[in-house]
Amino acid sequence: GAGVSQSPSNKVTEKGKDVELRCDPISGHTALYWYRQRLGQGLEFLIYFQGNSAPDKSGLPSDRFSAERTGESVSTLTIQRTQQEDSAVYLCASSLVGTGVNNEQFFGPGTRLTVL
Amino acid sequence: RKEVEQDPGPFNVPEGATVAFNCTYSNSASQSFFWYRQDCRKEPKLLMSVYSSGNEDGRFTAQLNRASQYISLLIRDSKLSDSATYLCVVNILTNAGKSTFGDGTTLTVKP
Repeated sequence: GAGVSQSPSNKVTEKGKDVELRCDPISGHTALYWYRQRLGQGLEFLIYFQGNSAPDKSGLPSDRFSAERTGESVSTLTIQRTQQEDSAVYLCASSLVGTGVNNEQFFGPGTRLTVL
Repeated sequence: RKEVEQDPGPFNVPEGATVAFNCTYSNSASQSFFWYRQDCRKEPKLLMSVYSSGNEDGRFTAQLNRASQYISLLIRDSKLSDSATYLCVVNILTNAGKSTFGDGTTLTVKP
């Protein structure tokens, strides 16, 4: 079956522009996560959606970052007024449930963002 | 102190060697534990869950020590294809299921 998909796969933008990244989770997965991974570094949690609950936005680094998810479907991560330090791979993951032992996260291939 | 800590390595071992990684976590309310594998420039993928009684999958053995708050991953008879970064993941039930990833341990298996 289809896995998690993300678009675009690569995005090059100029400093100060806004970008929108898209994630299509696996159908039926209630939990969705966004992470950022800078080159050679670990995963940095950004935001977590679980069903209809209020999202956990505790990892968003600044108010330039926002994300939305409608129901249990597509999510978009928006970065406004991009800065060079925003350059990274942005990974989306989904899981069947948000809690318990069966919440294996399935990752998309990521969007590689380069801010010039 | 980070919630989940791993020795970043790198671990450089010859083929056939046995190598072990540890991961410590700070929150005693942690409920579920996983090891993920991330190949260079690829997304992470689940390697194995870690159960209280310990579990084995072929050459891989995962163990949990709740008293000392660490999990381990043992790789026996390492192969060139085991070269990757291994990520420790901890879920806290009271945190609505949000996962916390360690920064990973890099393994390079050499001929």
